[in-house]
Amino acid sequence: DSGVTQTPKHLITATGQRVTLRCSPRSGDLSVYWYQQSLDQGLQFLIHYYNGEERAKGNILERFSAQQFPDLHSELNLSSLELGDSALYFCASSPRLAGVVDTQYFGPGTRLTVL
Amino acid sequence: AQSVAQPEDQVNVAEGNPLTVKCTYSVSGNPYLFWYVQYPNRGLQFLLKYITGDNLVKGSYGFEAEFNKSQTSFHLKKPSALVSDSALYFCAVRVGTGGSYIPTFGRGTSLIVHP
Repeated sequence: DSGVTQTPKHLITATGQRVTLRCSPRSGDLSVYWYQQSLDQGLQFLIHYYNGEERAKGNILERFSAQQFPDLHSELNLSSLELGDSALYFCASSPRLAGVVDTQYFGPGTRLTVL
Repeated sequence: AQSVAQPEDQVNVAEGNPLTVKCTYSVSGNPYLFWYVQYPNRGLQFLLKYITGDNLVKGSYGFEAEFNKSQTSFHLKKPSALVSDSALYFCAVRVGTGGSYIPTFGRGTSLIVHP
């Protein structure tokens, strides 16, 4: 158990809908990273938050947004969903802002299926 | 830009035989290299990392990896494979100065250990 929790485990929804994925980092970790994993794209970095502030963006669509709350949990909002958004979404946490030697601890993921 | 290549989509090995999962990287600056393992329907789990010092790094579950600067490689090895080692393995690189602290992941290598 990594100490990172994600809810829900599975999400099935229809095209055009909006969903929210939730992540709670390990106790004491201030950084939260979001990743999308699909068969054709591999593991893609989406966005990074540190202590409530957005710090880096990757291949995140404009339809997607995220935030990190004062209690450090984070939410990833996906809107106007398309079939191609079906994927596994992971969050990972680590202690510091840009700790390049820090291990990232991954949650179990949320499997999103868009029908 | 930093990149990671895992040249093999799949590696097959018989139980009890040694295994190698290959990873090569390209960075400007000093690399920090990581191996993660993903079991079916689970998040990524940290195996080991190279920061500095001894080129041979030992990690969890009997795995080790050798950092080779001249060949820009960080291959994952295990002397004797177990069926339970069957999983998806990801190599990742981070860079301090001169690069992005956001990890770049390889596309993953599926390891199949046959009884």
